Amino acid sequence: QSVLTQPPSVSAAPGQKVTISCSGSSSNIGNNYVSWYQQLPGTAPKLLIYDNNKRPSGIPDRFSGSKSGTSATLGITGLQTGDEADYYCGTWDSSLSPWVFGGGTKLTVL
Amino acid sequence: EVQLVQSGAEVKKPGESLKISCKGSGYSFTSYWIGWVRQMPGKGLEWMGIIYPGDSDTRYSPSFQGQVTISADKSISTAYLQWSSLKASDTAMYYCARHRGGSYEVDYWGQGTLVTVSS
Repeated sequence: QSVLTQPPSVSAAPGQKVTISCSGSSSNIGNNYVSWYQQLPGTAPKLLIYDNNKRPSGIPDRFSGSKSGTSATLGITGLQTGDEADYYCGTWDSSLSPWVFGGGTKLTVL
Repeated sequence: EVQLVQSGAEVKKPGESLKISCKGSGYSFTSYWIGWVRQMPGKGLEWMGIIYPGDSDTRYSPSFQGQVTISADKSISTAYLQWSSLKASDTAMYYCARHRGGSYEVDYWGQGTLVTVSS
């Protein structure tokens, strides 16, 4: 059981928007930056969002992040079939493991 | 270009020891934390621990403390993950990951090392 809670799966049609939530506590999300990772099938994860809402170079602005209190959200607009992947949130945790990942959310683009 | 290049796949028997590696290049190896992440077949990412090669400061997830050893040799820009006695349940893909300073997100990942433990 992960310290950060994500929905196991989400789905939406091509072109639509989807959001993925990540719920934690004051020891992790509440007092630290959140990052998001995309793992395409058979590949290593890739950084999508850091510092709650910043995108690394090369990540399209279809991907966005936000944080409020002890929860964070990843948003993806203009869904493409190539976005089908597992998505993970991650953050520093000051009480347990120094770093924690969410359990992951599988995105299906119908 | 920042790169983390991991050692190749391993097939081991239960009880055997193993040390896998992650070589960093394209940046100052001693200035960034390197972490290890486990992904069991069909499962999510599990953060195992982290080392700062500059001074070998090492932290572990409680779930992995005592089960593995993380080390680094800064002279050759290489981090290691080691088991003294493998179990079948150690079968997984293992990724090394560079944690950026400040907010510590993982900005670069290795390609992964598949470890299979089977009798």
